[in-house]
Amino acid sequence: EAAVTQSPRNKVTVTGGNVTLSCRQTNSHNYMYWYRQDTGHGLRLIHYSYGAGNLQIGDVPDGYKATRTTQEDFFLLLELASPSQTSLYFCASRPGLGDSYEQYFGPGTRLTVL
Amino acid sequence: QQQVRQSPQSLTVWEGETAILNCSYEDSTFNYFPWYQQFPGEGPALLISIRSVSDKKEDGRFTIFFNKREKKLSLHITDSQPGDSATYFCAASGVNAGAKLTFGGGTRLTVRP
Repeated sequence: EAAVTQSPRNKVTVTGGNVTLSCRQTNSHNYMYWYRQDTGHGLRLIHYSYGAGNLQIGDVPDGYKATRTTQEDFFLLLELASPSQTSLYFCASRPGLGDSYEQYFGPGTRLTVL
Repeated sequence: QQQVRQSPQSLTVWEGETAILNCSYEDSTFNYFPWYQQFPGEGPALLISIRSVSDKKEDGRFTIFFNKREKKLSLHITDSQPGDSATYFCAASGVNAGAKLTFGGGTRLTVRP
């Protein structure tokens, strides 16, 4: 069973604050993803990566940076957090192209920007 | 512009009834359509998926019906159980999407005992 963990599970910060969300997968999957989930919008892709050092821009990247430091670890950075970034954030992973298309999701991080 | 749309946003059925969740898409290059199930406090998990070469995919009580011409699909949950109460997301991917999935807005299903 694929395992994806996220930390912290909950985070409260103030407008203009600096936030880092962490994600780790232990299945040697090539692809990792960061999504935000908002009511009525489903899951929207922020950034994704197909390996250490690689970064691909998603569909809603503004205000977010990301970094894939190792095969296992993918970080989402909010350098000047705004209230519009209050959301539920999910990390996911999947094997490489040509393998299973299934994405495995972590438990989520709830971020509140005051 | 939402590429994948779901309806209804919420649905309530009685235990034993069939729940029907609808999904439509715009990009004709989409060829892979997974449905994810999400329980409160958890991340989504793959429930069932279909490729555009098929018009039906069945897995136990869960069936996807796919209409390529109309760019529509639906998820039927027969003999609905209270444990099926969750949010269901339709998603899509295709030859131009690479490793990306585009998700719909979700349908929250409640099954009353």
